Amino acid sequence: AQSVTQLGSHVSVSEGALVLLRCNYSSSVPPYLFWYVQYPNQGLQLLLKYTSAATLVKGINGFEAEFKKSETSFHLTKPSAHMSDAAEYFCAVSKTGGGNKLTFGTGTQLKVEL
Amino acid sequence: SAVISQKPSRDICQRGTSLTIQCQVDSQVTMMFWYRQQPGQSLTLIATANQGSEATYESGFVIDKFPISRPNLTFSTLTVSNMSPEDSSIYLCSVGGQAASNYGYTFGSGTRLTVV
Repeated sequence: AQSVTQLGSHVSVSEGALVLLRCNYSSSVPPYLFWYVQYPNQGLQLLLKYTSAATLVKGINGFEAEFKKSETSFHLTKPSAHMSDAAEYFCAVSKTGGGNKLTFGTGTQLKVEL
Repeated sequence: SAVISQKPSRDICQRGTSLTIQCQVDSQVTMMFWYRQQPGQSLTLIATANQGSEATYESGFVIDKFPISRPNLTFSTLTVSNMSPEDSSIYLCSVGGQAASNYGYTFGSGTRLTVV
């Protein structure tokens, strides 16, 4: 079975500060890993994905994540937070290949303060 | 990547009734997934729907409560039957398959269901 653990259900940063959202995964097979963002009253938007190519993945809105097999981690970062980044962020894992279900973490609510 | 149209976007329903949610995809896809997001929580997979075969349900979800249709490669419906207030959630469809390998899984905008 696959799973992801997101450390910290709520993260608060100042505008312009580094954003770091943590995700650790468990998988018996090489995983695909994803970060999604959900703005209030909206659906899910894909931020970035790791599908066994480059371990440092760049996504939309200045976000990036690094796949570290030795640490079973896929943390999401952004060098400088913007007020518009305030949202819920979900890490998700699937087996390789698009025919497999996504398993989501519990989510991290990011708050950006002035 | 695929574009999904999901409707209705929201509904308020009486307990004991049923609601059918539709997802239309702009391209043919092999796998479609239905998720539930209860208030303040993460997404939980309800079932996987392949065209031409019975949907596969996750533990805790049954066909009588959440019947799914998948008549072709671009369309699926999820029905929430005999609703109770505990069914108040956001329901989302998603597509997978080869497109997901290339572009990531795409989600519909969700159906916000309130049962009163």
